[in-house]
Amino acid sequence: EDKVVQSPLSLVVHEGDTVTLNCSYEVTNFRSLLWYKQEKKAPTFLFMLTSSGIEKKSGRLSSILDKKELFSILNITATQTGDSAIYLCAAALSSNTGKLIFGQGTTLQVKP
Amino acid sequence: KAGVTQTPRYLIKTRGQQVTLSCSPISGHRSVSWYQQTPGQGLQFLFEYFSETQRNKGNFPGRFSGRQFSNSRSEMNVSTLELGDSALYLCASSLASEYDYTFGSGTRLTVV
Repeated sequence: EDKVVQSPLSLVVHEGDTVTLNCSYEVTNFRSLLWYKQEKKAPTFLFMLTSSGIEKKSGRLSSILDKKELFSILNITATQTGDSAIYLCAAALSSNTGKLIFGQGTTLQVKP
Repeated sequence: KAGVTQTPRYLIKTRGQQVTLSCSPISGHRSVSWYQQTPGQGLQFLFEYFSETQRNKGNFPGRFSGRQFSNSRSEMNVSTLELGDSALYLCASSLASEYDYTFGSGTRLTVV
């Protein structure tokens, strides 16, 4: 059965800390790994990773994929209270399925 | 550009009733997926439509159905509602399944 597992499930840090969120996957016909941030309702897209070892960066956020070990990490440096959210990772399967398999999410709380 | 629009935002229904939720994708997006989000199960894939054809279906009972119109707008229907159907229903659209998905803000369904 296809599955995606995230860890930790929840995390409390203080502003300025650096956090690393983990996502491991076991899926057949893997195509790419996506990260989303969910604050209230709509998950918002952060990164899509298809190739192994190539880091993607957006401001204080960065992510990398390891297709050999089947995991991805999302790093957030110099955290701010606005980073408080649920972070979701999802595995996209091969073409023509349109199906994302989501992990349980990591709830991040950043305290002032 | 306009995002993914879901209507209604909130719904309260009684057990046994049926409900129809609507999703208007980003202009030009032909792939529309539906997900159910609950605290216990996270985001679970319901089905995906591309050019009016259902390409993939998740592990949900036949009470859950959907369709897509020629303008790519999609509807999902749940018949004979059960208390356990209470959830946030999210719709996501994409140009094609090779790209990232943009989510709508969801419809919060409460079954009483």
